[in-house]
Amino acid sequence: AQSVTQPDIHITVSEGASLELRCNYSYGATPYLFWYVQSPGQGLQLLLKYFSGDTLVQGIKGFEAEFKRSQSSFNLRKPSVHWSDAAEYFCAGSTNDYKLSFGAGTTVTVRA
Amino acid sequence: GAVVSQHPSWVICKSGTSVKIECRSLDFQATTMFWYRQFPKQSLMLMATSNEGSKATYEQGVEKDKFLINHASLTLSTLTVTSAHPEDSSFYICSGRDRDTTIYFGEGSWLTVV
Repeated sequence: AQSVTQPDIHITVSEGASLELRCNYSYGATPYLFWYVQSPGQGLQLLLKYFSGDTLVQGIKGFEAEFKRSQSSFNLRKPSVHWSDAAEYFCAGSTNDYKLSFGAGTTVTVRA
Repeated sequence: GAVVSQHPSWVICKSGTSVKIECRSLDFQATTMFWYRQFPKQSLMLMATSNEGSKATYEQGVEKDKFLINHASLTLSTLTVTSAHPEDSSFYICSGRDRDTTIYFGEGSWLTVV
């Protein structure tokens, strides 16, 4: 079955430190991959997406993600987190039907 | 980026009544819209795909007679929860796909059935 897995339920990081959120996918072919961020009680904001081409994708708010076919991964990174980055992060995948399958989400807490 | 607006943001309804949630793409035409459901502290689950001018496609396990979806125009899709019950209480969120194949999400709608 097609699925996306986020192994980390909760990550705590100090402000100014780097952040990496893991995402693994299981699809027959290379899926379309997305990272979204959700603040409490709010909708989702697209951080970045990967369809094909350059495997290092730049997104908004200083985030980037790297697609690694050999590891079936699409990990999200940020070099230096800000307190405002505290939120829920979702990795999602789809085929060309754009029906997104979401990972369970990773809650990011930023400590001062 | 493009904007998808949902209304209402919050709604409380009595058990047995129906409630309609609107999803509008404000600055792009969305030939396809998607409806998701999210339980507290859980991930999003796709309920159905809404295509303009045609019947919605429901995911397995989603009751199409309970969750009526209409996509009357390129900018509006509606979800009607019929004969709502407390177990239907949830966060419902829609998304629209633009021509650039980017998917934008609405702000979501909290439904509480009492």
